[in-house]
Order: sequence, then C-alpha cells, then structure tokens
Amino acid sequence: DAGVIQSPRHEVTEMGQEVTLRCKPISGHDYLFWYRQTMMRGLELLIYFNNNVPIDDSGMPEDRFSAKMPNASFSTLKIQPSEPRDSAVYFCASRVPLAGPNTGELFFGEGSRLTVL
Amino acid sequence: GQQVMQIPQYQHVQEGEDFTTYCNSSTTLSNIQWYKQRPGGHPVFLIQLVKSGEVKKQKRLTFQFGEAKKNSSLHITATQTTDVGTYFCARSGNTPLVFGKGTRLSVIA
Repeated sequence: DAGVIQSPRHEVTEMGQEVTLRCKPISGHDYLFWYRQTMMRGLELLIYFNNNVPIDDSGMPEDRFSAKMPNASFSTLKIQPSEPRDSAVYFCASRVPLAGPNTGELFFGEGSRLTVL
Repeated sequence: GQQVMQIPQYQHVQEGEDFTTYCNSSTTLSNIQWYKQRPGGHPVFLIQLVKSGEVKKQKRLTFQFGEAKKNSSLHITATQTTDVGTYFCARSGNTPLVFGKGTRLSVIA
C-alpha cells in the first residue's frame, strides 16, 4: 500500500488566495483526520471524519477553513482567504476500523507545508 | 480538551548516553500512544500502552505506563544519531488522539 498520500507537498501563496490541500487515505481506513503543526502550538486536530461524515470540526480555527470528504478515498482542506498566520504543516492521517486488538494507530501522510506571504 | 504534558521540551545528549522523556496527564488515560517524527518528516507510530504499569520494549526503547495511568515514559538506552527527532505521546481511546508538544532529541556524535 502506498500509505496516506497528500498534495501538494509544498505551497507558497499570497495572503488572500484560496488554498486547497488534498488527501488520499489508506484504502479500508474508515477514519480520516486533519492536523496542523506549528512550532508554537504543536500538533492540533482540526477536523475528523468517520465513514466520510464529519464528526468533530471544533478544531477548525475559523470560517475561513472548510473540509470535505466526498468519498472514502479523498478529502480536501480548503482555506479561503488565506492569511500569513495559516502558515504551517498540514497533516492528514487515517486509521483502521477499531476492532478487537486493533491498536488504533494513526498513519500520517508526509504533510503539506503551507507558506502564506 | 484533556491535555498531555511532555517534559523536557528539548534534550541534547552525547551519542551513547541515555535519554528519557515523560508524559503526564491530570486525568486517567484509557491508553497512550507514542510517535516519533524525524526532522522534516511525519509522525510515525511507535507503540500503544493500555494496561496499568505496562512496560514494553523495542530494542533500545523502553516504554512504561504508570500504575495510575496518568503518566508514561519513553527511555532510550545508548542513543544513536538515528534516534534524532521529536517524540510525541498522545492520549488515545475512542476519541481522536490529542498530542503532547513533544520532546525534541538532539544527539551529538
């Protein structure tokens, strides 16, 4: 399996522009998570989905942020309009269905490094 | 949400020295996970601890879960340059993982 796939790996944009980050989870995983990582705040959970349904978006910082999961193999995180304080590494992670001895470990993508000028 | 606190924030060691990072919670944890993130990389799962007082080993790494299930530690014996990175603990269970701020380990050859 190719693992969790994220794109783009790097994005540099100007303030006010729309940014769309993409994620393909591992096939068969029913949970998908979006995290944001900065030096100051560490790894923050933004939103997560179960079976394509958003479960908790309380971590989404503002209305400028939105996330969708139209099917089991694709999710997007959109920022519109972007601001310099949105600069961070955005990670997508997925997890197998929890059952029996399943550890519930997260499998992270390589991340999308966003710089907003 | 319920946070987990990690100490120290940074640790610099000479190659061959031991290293320990601690993870503490004010509330009882159902279980805890540990991850490692290499510089420029992404978090990679190391282990999950579930039982009170549990101790697990992976080669030079020893993971412990406190008797009260409010703290955990990761100990690395005889560090190597390949151990460089940030080590995170994360509170887990039926809710999404909540990560500590991590301990960044530097190893001086």
